[in-house]
Amino acid sequence: DAKTTQPPSMDCAEGRAANLPCNHSTISGNEYVYWYRQIHSQGPQYIIHGLKNNETNEMASLIITEDRKSSTLILPHATLRDTAVYYCIVRVARYNTDKLIFGTGTRLQVFP
Amino acid sequence: KAGVTQTPRYLIKTRGQQVTLSCSPISGHRSVSWYQQTPGQGLQFLFEYFSETQRNKGNFPGRFSGRQFSNSRSEMNVSTLELGDSALYLCASDSGEGDTQYFGPGTRLTVL
Repeated sequence: DAKTTQPPSMDCAEGRAANLPCNHSTISGNEYVYWYRQIHSQGPQYIIHGLKNNETNEMASLIITEDRKSSTLILPHATLRDTAVYYCIVRVARYNTDKLIFGTGTRLQVFP
Repeated sequence: KAGVTQTPRYLIKTRGQQVTLSCSPISGHRSVSWYQQTPGQGLQFLFEYFSETQRNKGNFPGRFSGRQFSNSRSEMNVSTLELGDSALYLCASDSGEGDTQYFGPGTRLTVL
């Protein structure tokens, strides 16, 4: 079973920041938080991952709470092309072969 | 660097037939994982290959099998196809040390 809980759907106006929450209250100390997104019928696209510090790349920012029980993916200026299903996954990284366990994700709809 | 490629992109088969799907990982990646995505069950892990050996396996019947070649390319085979095998089959590659997995575009299999 997935170790994360996400809202099933969210809306965001184009140009505004999209803040996607994820709960992972049973996360272990060596588990990373990964975010992927899947645009309709395409393969999931890696976005970002982090352990405990906030992370930022060219696509998004990841904010992880101090107790690591939840996180937020931030798309700073959402565009229509960001409409997708966003998956939050916890996984031990580095020298571990655990498979990715996908939950149901959050369907983000960006509207004009 | 080229991404993960999958062939064919679309496939139509009839019940009872068998099918082989192919995946070429990112150059330098030694691990290939396969996933099945259906509307009812979501994204589910099938198996992972590393150095030509199956290293991890999901909960799927023996009709689903795979192999990996010395150049890390992988094939997945499904025998005696059933209607319920209609799905998007995704492969993902990584270095084999548990870091970020990158997905291909998928093969859409329709079983009639």
